[in-house]
Amino acid sequence: DTAVSQTPKYLVTQMGNDKSIKCEQNLGHDTMYWYKQDSKKFLKIMFSYNNKELIINETVPNRFSPKSPDKAHLNLHINSLELGDSAVYFCASSQVSQAGPYGYTFGSGTRLTVV
Amino acid sequence: QKEVEQDPGPLSVPEGAIVSLNCTYSNSAFQYFMWYRQYSRKGPELLMYTYSSGNKEDGRFTAQVDKSSKYISLFIRDSQPSDSATYLCAMSAGRAGGTSYGKLTFGQGTILTVHP
Repeated sequence: DTAVSQTPKYLVTQMGNDKSIKCEQNLGHDTMYWYKQDSKKFLKIMFSYNNKELIINETVPNRFSPKSPDKAHLNLHINSLELGDSAVYFCASSQVSQAGPYGYTFGSGTRLTVV
Repeated sequence: QKEVEQDPGPLSVPEGAIVSLNCTYSNSAFQYFMWYRQYSRKGPELLMYTYSSGNKEDGRFTAQVDKSSKYISLFIRDSQPSDSATYLCAMSAGRAGGTSYGKLTFGQGTILTVHP
């Protein structure tokens, strides 16, 4: 009955590798997001998708490529991983209307360590 | 200067104390204000959601928003050791059709410890 689920929870990989993180939500929300939390706990948005359409793309290196096959799934693929990519990546979803974003729910995170 | 400023603490209080957590912001377009609680190695969990200025109460938690001062607060009454966590304020200007569409801007988070 998990609302926003991400896999894997932990990812340890070498520099230069390519990896993917998957996210699924069963809340029926129309918008999904990727956020990055650095070592100082600062959470910053990376991307958002509304009904499979890319809406927000913050200043993220183009090694990061999100893909949304449908409105319940949002995956994140990272090419040529660097040490600075080590962080916790959170998927989130919400319903966004003219009255604002509602039901903003986060997954439990994927802890990525690049060695 | 960050759009949202939050004192990272750490803040340590005895059980039963009233805790006050605060954030200031600079973007006057923010209209939606949230507080999240994050336990260690978990995702943020929504505690309070407020639209525009005013107060909102939910059990031991009270959220206040003062848009004229660009200042928001979260009060925790009768704090418990189980309240020990990182508290994150978050704000959004993002409505459907807007360029920031649902985007949340977070403060750095305040680490709170409630000791028995």
